Amino acid sequence: KAGVTQTPRYLIKTRGQQVTLSCSPISGHRSVSWYQQTPGQGLQFLFEYFSETQRNKGNFPGRFSGRQFSNSRSEMNVSTLELGDSALYLCASSFTGTDTEAFFGQGTRLTVV
Amino acid sequence: GENVGLHLPTLSVQEGDNSIINCAYSNSASDYFIWYKQESGKGPQFIIDIRSNMDKRQGQRVTVLLNKTVKHLSLQIAATQPGDSAVYFCAELYGSGNTGKLIFGQGTTLQVKP
Repeated sequence: KAGVTQTPRYLIKTRGQQVTLSCSPISGHRSVSWYQQTPGQGLQFLFEYFSETQRNKGNFPGRFSGRQFSNSRSEMNVSTLELGDSALYLCASSFTGTDTEAFFGQGTRLTVV
Repeated sequence: GENVGLHLPTLSVQEGDNSIINCAYSNSASDYFIWYKQESGKGPQFIIDIRSNMDKRQGQRVTVLLNKTVKHLSLQIAATQPGDSAVYFCAELYGSGNTGKLIFGQGTTLQVKP
């Protein structure tokens, strides 16, 4: 079956702009989590959605937001982009978001100039 | 080859040798752990998981050991191959209120010498 799909793979944006990233989970998975990966901070949790509801949130400013649709696909949005938002954004899907295997997509590489 | 004690960012091993990658996790209440492999330009790839009610779990060429007393996790790779070269992360998940939130270690880069 298909894995986790993230689009687009690469993005270049200018400071102050906003961006929307998309994640399609593995079929049957209802939990989608988002992570930011940078060389300095490693993998940092952004938020998690389950059945269209945000269940958990990391320590990121309100400029980072997300949502989940009824088909479990998820989007994350970053508004008023800053240079420091340049990172690899990863989403992971699992059945429950608890003690079940979580699988990652290839990520979206965002560069803010 | 093995990185022991404090986290070492890089482990270099000879092809065919066994590799042991160590990880210290942060929360004694963590009840689920996963090892991921990340190759350059790709997302983390699931390798193996273990629940807190187990001490050991084996997969194909990989074994994960969990020592809850000292909050230590290890990944053993048998007969290491060049294709095993990557960054390896341990991740923990804890608490019913922390759904979907994996806490990742710093990662260890495994270099396999032919």
